[in-house]
Amino acid sequence: GENVEQHPSTLSVQEGDSAVIKCTYSDSASNYFPWYKQELGKRPQLIIDIRSNVGEKKDQRIAVTLNKTAKHFSLHITETQPEDSAVYFCAALSTGANNLFFGTGTRLTVIP
Amino acid sequence: DGGITQSPKYLFRKEGQNVTLSCEQNLNHDAMYWYRQDPGQGLRLIYYSQIVNDFQKGDIAEGYSVSREKKESFPLTVTSAQKNPTAFYLCASSVGTSGEQYFGPGTRLTVT
Repeated sequence: GENVEQHPSTLSVQEGDSAVIKCTYSDSASNYFPWYKQELGKRPQLIIDIRSNVGEKKDQRIAVTLNKTAKHFSLHITETQPEDSAVYFCAALSTGANNLFFGTGTRLTVIP
Repeated sequence: DGGITQSPKYLFRKEGQNVTLSCEQNLNHDAMYWYRQDPGQGLRLIYYSQIVNDFQKGDIAEGYSVSREKKESFPLTVTSAQKNPTAFYLCASSVGTSGEQYFGPGTRLTVT
C-alpha cells in the first residue's frame, strides 16, 4: 500500500517569512495530493490540492509543487501570518485505492 | 461548518463497555470514512464506505465496527476488544473516492 512521510514534524518561522513542508510517497500510481490544515481543536480543512497531471498550483500565499519522478510534493506558504499557525497534513491517493493516506503532520508556529 | 456532524463532542466510558459514535452528513455524499487521530501519528483510517450497505476495513479496523444503512449516516462502534480506544475520532465524507474529503468536528473519546 501507500506510505506517506512528512517533514518536518515541527516548524517555527518569523511572521512574514516563508514556510516549506515536504512529503514523499511510495506508490507511483498515486495521482491526487491534498493538503489539510487543522487548527487546535478543530476539524481538518482542505487548503490546496494537486493532481498528477500538473507540477505546480498556487492559491494566493499558498502553493504546492509535485515531482512525480522523485515522488515528492511540497507545500509553500509565503508571507506567513500568525493565523497560519496550525498542524498541516499532506495526503496521497493512489488510483487503485479508495482512500487517502496521510502524513504524520507538521506543527507550524508563526512567531509575531 | 455545517454539512457533516458528529456527536457527542466529548465521550467518557468505562473500560469494557462498547460505545457508538455518531456521524451524519447532508451533503449527499456517497463515500464516508472514519479516522482515528493520535498525537504525532496523523490520521489513520479505521473503516470506509463507498455506498450504502457496503464498507471496507482500513488500516486499523480491529476492535471497531460500522454500519451504513442510510446514505446520510455512518456510525462507528468502539468495542471492548479495542486495546487502546482513547483518541480523537474524525468522520469524513466525499462525493466519490478520488476527491476532497470533508471532515466532521470530531469526537474525543476517553476510556478509563
